[in-house]
Amino acid sequence: EAGVAQSPRYKIIEKRQSVAFWCNPISGHATLYWYQQILGQGPKLLIQFQNNGVVDDSQLPKDRFSAERLKGVDSTLKIQPAKLEDSAVYLCASSLEASGRISDTQYFGPGTRLTVL
Amino acid sequence: AQKVTQAQTEISVVEKEDVTLDCVYETRDTTYYLFWYKQPPSGELVFLIRRNSFDEQNEISGRYSWNFQKSTSSFNFTITASQVVDSAVYFCALSEIYGQNFVFGPGTRLSVLP
Repeated sequence: EAGVAQSPRYKIIEKRQSVAFWCNPISGHATLYWYQQILGQGPKLLIQFQNNGVVDDSQLPKDRFSAERLKGVDSTLKIQPAKLEDSAVYLCASSLEASGRISDTQYFGPGTRLTVL
Repeated sequence: AQKVTQAQTEISVVEKEDVTLDCVYETRDTTYYLFWYKQPPSGELVFLIRRNSFDEQNEISGRYSWNFQKSTSSFNFTITASQVVDSAVYFCALSEIYGQNFVFGPGTRLSVLP
């Protein structure tokens, strides 16, 4: 079974530029999550989708971050404009259970490492 | 508010030694889930275990074992006969069962030396 796919793996941009990350969850997984992991810290949930609806985006900085999951499969996370403090690894995860609960077992992708100069 | 503490920032052991990674959590909920994830240098978080707060039985899976003690709010993880491939950052995490709060600890970096 293929795992969660993410691209690109690495991205370097200058501040105030825009960037987008892509995630393809495990086939059949209804719930998709985006996390931000700053160096030396644990991941922090940004947004959770169940199918193509948002379950929780309370920690998403909506003035600059946006995410969508069209058709309930792939998802993109965008930052516009980027700030220095956005430098982090952006992890995507998916879970099989359709409950949409955050406690469902999540399977993570390899992440996208973003560096903002 | 929920909180997870992993007091050990870095641990180094020699191969074949046993090692225990500590996890202490805080929550006002009476029911919750606890998790351990492994993050090898490749960056992908690998799920290891999920434990419901109702179940205080210790669990063993091969060289891995987990000791859940609700009385001390701890969920410690032991690797027996460590191997170089165990080198990674290990995260303990806590989630509500019905809500949306899910918090990771800061992680413990384990280095297993040959």
